[in-house]
Amino acid sequence: GQQVMQIPQYQHVQEGEDFTTYCNSSTTLSNIQWYKQRPGGHPVFLIQLVKSGEVKKQKRLTFQFGEAKKNSSLHITATQTTDVGTYFCAGTNAGGTSYGKLTFGQGTILTVHP
Amino acid sequence: DARVTQTPRDKVTEMGQEVTMRCQPILGHNTVFWYRQTMMQGLELLAYFRNRAPLDDSGMPKDRFSAEMPDATLATLKIQPSEPRDSAVYFCASGHTGEFNTGELFFGEGSRLTVL
Repeated sequence: GQQVMQIPQYQHVQEGEDFTTYCNSSTTLSNIQWYKQRPGGHPVFLIQLVKSGEVKKQKRLTFQFGEAKKNSSLHITATQTTDVGTYFCAGTNAGGTSYGKLTFGQGTILTVHP
Repeated sequence: DARVTQTPRDKVTEMGQEVTMRCQPILGHNTVFWYRQTMMQGLELLAYFRNRAPLDDSGMPKDRFSAEMPDATLATLKIQPSEPRDSAVYFCASGHTGEFNTGELFFGEGSRLTVL
């Protein structure tokens, strides 16, 4: 079945440093989404990427979807303490049998030291 | 603001007891997902429904778990009998999906289950 792997599992940074998390799928994806979960909270949608090679930006966050639509990355520039949380990628398998099934990666836990 | 509502927020029960978790999805969403979150396994997909029809429950232990959607405003996840390894946070999420793509998912606050 489809597997979505994320690395690293943990990342500790000093405030102001950059942060990147990577997501790799065992299968080609029709789209990929990114979510953020604050400690004790629930996942909250950040963005969706659909096109091969797509790049989207939200303020200090940059999201990329690979050319082969099997990998993605999230980059945060100049982290702030408000960026603390777990970042998840989630993908839908390309192909006619997926019916919208969204599989999540394991997540990357980001801590930011002031 | 429209949101996904889950009950109970917290449940402590003893091994062997039946547990039922409920979810009210956002009105108009056609897809409801049940995920289980643990430190070890991350967010596991247990089951999901599209237009109230079950599409995939392969992630769910069939002998003790069951998921239903009796109407468009209610999805349920039942565990009978519960075991300590079922302790986790259970999230319900709803969204609008097409045949190949899933749109943004809105998650509920989660139901934290502890089985002693």
